[in-house]
Amino acid sequence: SQKIEQNSEALNIQEGKTATLTCNYTNYSPAYLQWYRQDPGRGPVFLLLIRENEKEKRKERLKVTFDTTLKQSLFHITASQPADSATYLCALDLSNTGNQFYFGTGTSLTVIP
Amino acid sequence: ETGVTQSPTHLIKTRGQQVTLRCSSQSGHNTVSWYQQALGQGPQFIFQYYREEENGRGNFPPRFSGLQFPNYSSELNVNALELDDSALYLCASSLVGLVYEQFFGPGTRLTVL
Repeated sequence: SQKIEQNSEALNIQEGKTATLTCNYTNYSPAYLQWYRQDPGRGPVFLLLIRENEKEKRKERLKVTFDTTLKQSLFHITASQPADSATYLCALDLSNTGNQFYFGTGTSLTVIP
Repeated sequence: ETGVTQSPTHLIKTRGQQVTLRCSSQSGHNTVSWYQQALGQGPQFIFQYYREEENGRGNFPPRFSGLQFPNYSSELNVNALELDDSALYLCASSLVGLVYEQFFGPGTRLTVL
């Protein structure tokens, strides 16, 4: 069965440092991988999508890499701020046609001032 | 442009009862997906609707059913509620062709006693 794993422990980092979150998957070869942010009591917010033929994608302070050989995506937040504190989720499209998404359990990030 | 809205915000039911949750998609979006999120877990895909028909389904029993209306609003119905159905139920809307950019609502918190 498909399995998607994210950093199992919560991540605490100092303000200004780079946070790196990991998403590993097995038994699947997704064409797309997404990252979302979720704040307590709210729905996830879409951040970035990366395609299998893209090694890296950037958006402002965010950077995502996608290694289909290692079956891993890394999500980086540079110059982290306390406002970046949230749970970050990665998601795969099991169907590769956009109609069956599978989320990881998420990694809780706390940026300490 | 209005975002995705869900109703009710909270709901308490007893085991065996039936429940209907509602979602209003973001303006212009014609695809809606429903997710179940247990505490401390990532969202689990229930199903997706496009053009008023189910367009993909996750690993949920038939007592989870849905509807999409011509105005792209949607309902999630759950029959014969079980204690394990207690969770945050999220809907997400998107555009065909851009289904990877899902816009989530705030969710409905369902408690089954």
